[in-house]
Amino acid sequence: EIVLTQSPGTLSLSPGERGTLSCRASQSVSRSYLAWYQQKPGQGPRLLIYDASSRATGIPDRFSGSGSGTDFTLTISRLEPEDFAVYYCQQYGSSPLTFGGGTKVEIK
Amino acid sequence: QVQLVESGGGVVQPGWSLTLSCEASGFTFSDYSIHWFRQAPGKGLEWVTLISSDGNTRYYADSVKGRFTISRDNSANTLYLQMKSLRPEDTAVYYCTRELVTGKWFFDPWGRGTLVIVSS
Repeated sequence: EIVLTQSPGTLSLSPGERGTLSCRASQSVSRSYLAWYQQKPGQGPRLLIYDASSRATGIPDRFSGSGSGTDFTLTISRLEPEDFAVYYCQQYGSSPLTFGGGTKVEIK
Repeated sequence: QVQLVESGGGVVQPGWSLTLSCEASGFTFSDYSIHWFRQAPGKGLEWVTLISSDGNTRYYADSVKGRFTISRDNSANTLYLQMKSLRPEDTAVYYCTRELVTGKWFFDPWGRGTLVIVSS
């Protein structure tokens, strides 16, 4: 089973700042099959990025994904008030699929 | 608008049964495999089960195998999760979600979830 470790656990930023979230895998993620989700309280996750760097439909271009192998990054170029949430990475290159523990992006 | 709406959650005692529903709209339901996930309070996401677009293929997590049954009614655009012999560790918010690209297990959209509490 691939273990995904997200860092930092909490990221304190101000609106307009850049956010960089990390997801590190315990072994290489096949074909860069990695997704990123945003989750707000009381809501289900929202797909942001799939295949490590492809933006999902309707996702603003301030969200971008990069990486391969064992190291992946979600970047939010300029944080908007609605971006403060918990972010999860998920790999689907190997069975079982696994999620990271999440990074909470909070208002500084 | 592509949407999934879960319902049927509630508070039950250990050993009881419960059936969850997931109603789909805004897309051709019968074209997609659908999955259930759950999230225990304050915890991460756990995959529970999936059903193929035609209903002929079903997979379950070991933690629910033999107790949970997934089914679908494509004519009603609805997915079901029958849960039997419920345990306290089944307490969670249950989400249904669509496998966006067949064979690639990333998911969109997700419903808002329905809360199941198993407690005596």
